[in-house]
Amino acid sequence: KNQVEQSPQSLIILEGKNCTLQCNYTVSPFSNLRWYKQDTGRGPVSLTIMTFSENTKSNGRYTATLDADTKQSSLHITASQLSDSASYICVVSDRGSTLGRLYFGRGTQLTVWP
Amino acid sequence: EADIYQTPRYLVIGTGKKITLECSQTMGHDKMYWYQQDPGMELHLIHYSYGVNSTEKGDLSSESTVSRIRTEHFPLTLESARPSHTSQYLCASSVVASGGATYNEQFFGPGTRLTVL
Repeated sequence: KNQVEQSPQSLIILEGKNCTLQCNYTVSPFSNLRWYKQDTGRGPVSLTIMTFSENTKSNGRYTATLDADTKQSSLHITASQLSDSASYICVVSDRGSTLGRLYFGRGTQLTVWP
Repeated sequence: EADIYQTPRYLVIGTGKKITLECSQTMGHDKMYWYQQDPGMELHLIHYSYGVNSTEKGDLSSESTVSRIRTEHFPLTLESARPSHTSQYLCASSVVASGGATYNEQFFGPGTRLTVL
């Protein structure tokens, strides 16, 4: 069964600190892995997309890593800001259909305190 | 920021009412999707479309229906709303890549928060 598991479920950090979010997946055949940021009451916004051949990708203070062998990914946030408070969703796409079906994790709810 | 719009943003209605959630995109994307998301839970695909006059059921069974008469418009309809339909509904679109896609990036609308009393 294709699944995406994220940890921790929730995280509270102080402004300025770094944090790392984890994602494990069993989706096969693998196409790509994305990290989305979803603010409360809004739709998800893409942060990074990594294909099989990529093992790291950065977007400003966000750095994602991918280990396709162990089927693990992490999202590292540097020097956190209050605006980073959101749910971070790991999404894996398979390449078994023209639709490019997406499998969503439940997200990590990050809260940044001043 | 993607050009994909959803209306209304919030809707509170009584049981038995017929409702239509609107979704439109101005990017000319062929593929469009509807997802349902409950608080703290993952997104579930309920409908998708490859293009005009194409509609398919997603992974999660839903009593809603969709139509795709125009490329830019993908409305979702509930004929008779029930409290179990209370949820957030997210619309998304993506472009079909020709010659074999490495991936298609989905762009999400802001969502409609539906509450059925």
